[in-house]
Amino acid sequence: GAGVSQTPSNKVTEKGKYVELRCDPISGHTALYWYRQSLGQGPEFLIYFQGTGAADDSGLPNDRFFAVRPEGSVSTLKIQRTERGDSAVYLCASSSLGTGGGYTFGSGTRLTVV
Amino acid sequence: SQQGEEDPQALSIQEGENATMNCSYKTSINNLQWYRQNSGRGLVHLILIRSNEREKHSGRLRVTLDTSKKSSSLLITASRAADTASYFCATDADSGYALNFGKGTSLLVTP
Repeated sequence: GAGVSQTPSNKVTEKGKYVELRCDPISGHTALYWYRQSLGQGPEFLIYFQGTGAADDSGLPNDRFFAVRPEGSVSTLKIQRTERGDSAVYLCASSSLGTGGGYTFGSGTRLTVV
Repeated sequence: SQQGEEDPQALSIQEGENATMNCSYKTSINNLQWYRQNSGRGLVHLILIRSNEREKHSGRLRVTLDTSKKSSSLLITASRAADTASYFCATDADSGYALNFGKGTSLLVTP
C-alpha cells in the first residue's frame, strides 16, 4: 500500500485479556519495527524484523509480548494477560533498508486496558 | 532506553517567527533523524543527517549536527500554524537500526 497501515486504530480491552495488533507495511519494505509510546514520552523500541525473522526483540518488556511476521510482510503484535500498564500507543514502522534511512510510521493503535 | 533529549520541552511562537529545537544524545551514532508527530499518533520523517555531515536543509527546515558535542538542532524558518506539533530527534546508536527517541519538543505556532 501507499503507507503503513495499522489496525485497529483504537482498542479497549479488559485487564487479563489477550489482544492482537496488526501492521501492514509498505509493499517491498523488508524491515519492520514495533514501538510503544506512552503519554508524554517518545516512542520506545520493541522489536525489529528483517524479512520473516525477528532480528532483535530486546525491547519487548516481558514474555507476555510476542510478535510475528510469518510471510515477511504483515506483522502481528500479540499481548497476553494485558495489564493497565500496557496502555499506550503502539506504533509500527517499515523501511526499505535496515539501516541508514528514514522510517515510515503508521498512525498507531491506541490500546487502553481497563 | 531513551537516549535523545530535546530542549526545550515546549515552545510557543507566532506565525512567521523561527523555531529552534535542540537535541542532545549520549553515544556515537551513524545518523540522526528528526520526526514530527501530530496529535500523538503517527510520526512523519522530516530529515536525516549522517554522522559525517554538519548541516542539511530541506525546504524551511535546517538541521545541524555537532558530533563533538553530541548535539543537533532543528530550525524551522517562517513558521506556520500548521507546524504546530511535537518534534522528536532519534538516533540509531548501538544497533544501527533501532531508533532511540527523546521525549520531544511540543511546538505551538499561533496565528
